[in-house]
Amino acid sequence: DTGVSQDPRHKITKRGQNVTFRCDPISEHNRLYWYRQTLGQGPEFLTYFQNEAQLEKSRLLSDRFSAERPKGSFSTLEIQRTEQGDSAMYLCASSPPSGGIEAFFGQGTRLTVV
Amino acid sequence: KQEVTQIPAALSVPEGENLVLNCSFTDSAIYNLQWFRQDPGKGLTSLLLIQSSQREQTSGRLNASLDKSSGRSTLYIAASQPGDSATYLCAVLTDSWGKLQFGAGTQVVVTP
Repeated sequence: DTGVSQDPRHKITKRGQNVTFRCDPISEHNRLYWYRQTLGQGPEFLTYFQNEAQLEKSRLLSDRFSAERPKGSFSTLEIQRTEQGDSAMYLCASSPPSGGIEAFFGQGTRLTVV
Repeated sequence: KQEVTQIPAALSVPEGENLVLNCSFTDSAIYNLQWFRQDPGKGLTSLLLIQSSQREQTSGRLNASLDKSSGRSTLYIAASQPGDSATYLCAVLTDSWGKLQFGAGTQVVVTP
């Protein structure tokens, strides 16, 4: 499978715990994005990487959220001290370095905070 | 600030009918527009990408048009099938680096 891969697919955690999600983009894609989607809404942008550099962060990304892409390949999104409001689908997408900047999405990680 | 609206929020049609899904955006300064399909609990599948210089794109039974000046795009799905049941999202690219602004989607049910 050469698409965007996300792990885990589902995560249930207790309020206050830390969670980490992983995203593996399509291999030749240097652009990587994280989005968050709540029920009945479209995805909302969280952050953007070009290679290993984090170039843009949404104001939605509070201090409890951190994202990395250490070698310009896979990326991780960590949420510290989770709250019930963090329950959502977290989507990762990647785009190639040139062309029409078409975004390809992974299957997402469904987070439930209890 | 760019706002993307999709109307209707939900649509139910009998099998065989053509589907017409609408997307409107407030700022015509876009790089491209992308249509996605999302099945329940799943990620997004890219259907069609229309560059800002294009008027339409076609793929099989799908056809998407773009009118930048009026801030509108329409996705047509010909001869709908029950397997077309899903939520359809449109998104506009307003930055050169790829940040997408999404609508809330249209939930489609095709009944046999």
